[in-house]
Amino acid sequence: NAGVTQTPKFQVLKTGQSMTLQCAQDMNHNSMYWYRQDPGMGLRLIYYSASEGTTDKGEVPNGYNVSRLNKREFSLRLESAAPSQTSVYFCASSLDRGRYEQFFGPGTRLTVL
Amino acid sequence: GQSLEQPSEVTAVEGAIVQINCTYQTSGFYGLSWYQQHDGGAPTFLSYNALDGLEETGRFSSFLSRSDSYGYLLLQELQMKDSASYFCAVRDRGGSYIPTFGRGTSLIVHP
Repeated sequence: NAGVTQTPKFQVLKTGQSMTLQCAQDMNHNSMYWYRQDPGMGLRLIYYSASEGTTDKGEVPNGYNVSRLNKREFSLRLESAAPSQTSVYFCASSLDRGRYEQFFGPGTRLTVL
Repeated sequence: GQSLEQPSEVTAVEGAIVQINCTYQTSGFYGLSWYQQHDGGAPTFLSYNALDGLEETGRFSSFLSRSDSYGYLLLQELQMKDSASYFCAVRDRGGSYIPTFGRGTSLIVHP
């Protein structure tokens, strides 16, 4: 039981490049989330998927897109990376949106030059 | 929207008791969570309060006062491994029940 897994662990991009961050969970959870964490800041919600087939914007969605590929997988795409998107990205899941406990993946450390 | 305030840093010695406070503003409060995050690691869930009072889980306890829009995390018998960042997160009905996180409190435990 791996919990929440994320790939890659580290990534360096040049401004304007695109990439997709992958996330998968094996806990049969319905809801999944993408957060970014910057130094001295808490976790800020980018997008979430309350259930398979639905996605909604969070607090900071600009510059990102998401895909809920199936119940297990939720990907985050940067179409044209900018230095302001340098951050640590965490994927999380919960049994459903109403459950308070979220389970986090190990994070992806992204640097945009 | 929601806003949360917590101290940026707290220091304590091994074996001591420390309290990390969190005040929040929200229009439709539903619950307050606490998460721990070690340097370079992922946040992990510690506790949740939806009703007033104290919830105890081993060395950690969490308290909520809805009338004061205030909660705290209490860590007892501090150990070096408790050095980490601690985040409070508030859920409210207006935010689709998804937690909004505070900026975190860095706890430094000295020997």
